Amino acid sequence: QVQLMQSGGEVKKPGASVKVSCQASGYTFTTYDITWVRQAPGQGLEWMGWLSGSNGNTNYAQKFQGRVTMTTDTSTSTAYMELRSLRSDDTAVYYCTRDPGAATLDYWGQGSLVTVSS
Amino acid sequence: QSALTQPASVSGSPGQSITISCTGTSSDVGGYNYVSWYQQHPGKAPKLMICEVSNRPSGVPDRFSGSKSGNTASLTISGLQAEDEADYYCSSYTSSTTLVFGDGTRVTVL
Repeated sequence: QVQLMQSGGEVKKPGASVKVSCQASGYTFTTYDITWVRQAPGQGLEWMGWLSGSNGNTNYAQKFQGRVTMTTDTSTSTAYMELRSLRSDDTAVYYCTRDPGAATLDYWGQGSLVTVSS
Repeated sequence: QSALTQPASVSGSPGQSITISCTGTSSDVGGYNYVSWYQQHPGKAPKLMICEVSNRPSGVPDRFSGSKSGNTASLTISGLQAEDEADYYCSSYTSSTTLVFGDGTRVTVL
């Protein structure tokens, strides 16, 4: 069955970087894209960007341009999301999702809580 | 890109039907048939309930249905059950080749 297994929670200081991993299983990694979504405590869902599973092309939300990098390692079926220059309002649960197209997110990882605090 | 507009909360008694609206613009909801709906229980990851306006993925009960008229999409839950109590989010593809979510709606089963 399709699974997306994310890395554990992290605590970071303001100005630091965090890299969240998302290992996929149960399907051919390169035939689907990965979309990253985050959710601040008690808030709604926020689209961060999209990453092609086949060629590594990316499309980032304007809000995160210059601060985020999404990559894949096809040899291990793993996607990564790195966010730099962290601020307190980056505290959120970060989700990776499988994206089969048509703006559909059909499988979600369990989420990775990133806490930014001094 | 502004979030899509959803009612903050909707409630109903078991067995009743409820409808959640999701209002956008001609640049997102109204321009594409790429509207999805997600259910999220507390502390859990969201789950896809409806894709491409009205398609129900395998395993989703048929009491969940979706539709769209103009710039507004809707999710209807017929025969409301206790386990349907959750937060619901709509999303849409946009003309900027991004994805935008709704504010979210808390469904309460009375």
